[in-house]
Amino acid sequence: GNSVTQMEGPVTLSEEAFLTINCTYTATGYPSLFWYVQYPGEGLQLLLKATKADDKGSNKGFEATYRKETTSFHLEKGSVQVSDSAVYFCALRLNTGGFKTIFGAGTRLFVKA
Amino acid sequence: DGGITQSPKYLFRKEGQNVTLSCEQNLNHDAMYWYRQDPGQGLRLIYYSQIVNDFQKGDIAEGYSVSREKKESFPLTVTSAQKNPTAFYLCASSNLQETQYFGPGTRLLVL
Repeated sequence: GNSVTQMEGPVTLSEEAFLTINCTYTATGYPSLFWYVQYPGEGLQLLLKATKADDKGSNKGFEATYRKETTSFHLEKGSVQVSDSAVYFCALRLNTGGFKTIFGAGTRLFVKA
Repeated sequence: DGGITQSPKYLFRKEGQNVTLSCEQNLNHDAMYWYRQDPGQGLRLIYYSQIVNDFQKGDIAEGYSVSREKKESFPLTVTSAQKNPTAFYLCASSNLQETQYFGPGTRLLVL
């Protein structure tokens, strides 16, 4: 079936460290891929997306590249800030009909000053 | 300002009581969704609606009901049959096969 697997958290980093959160997927067809961010007590906000192989999504210093050969969409940021502390969700949406989006379990990030 | 609103922010339910969570969007999106989020877990789909007057069960529909009488509104009722309702409930909307956008959520607590 279709699924998304993210690295387990929490991830704890010092400010200005490099961030990688791994995400791999299983899907039929050619899905679109997303990263959402959730700050405490709030809903999910779209962070970035990619709709086809080799596309790179980027926003607010975060980026992720759609790798079809490894079925991955890892999130990276070169220098994290305390304000990046949140839960990050990787997600896929099938583009062959249907409206469901499948979410990973989320990875909590703590950034220390 | 376009967006999705959910109310209330916090909701308390007594045992045996039905409660209704509101979700309204002014993005002119066709599809709307309800998700449940438990602490430390991902999102699970409760119900979704692709068009007015039509809706489909998601992965955990038991104990919940919805209606879609207007394009902009998709209320969720948590019935007394839902034995473990304490969770964070998120509403989302999208146009067909496009990105989902989320509301701020409602936290439901049992008294």
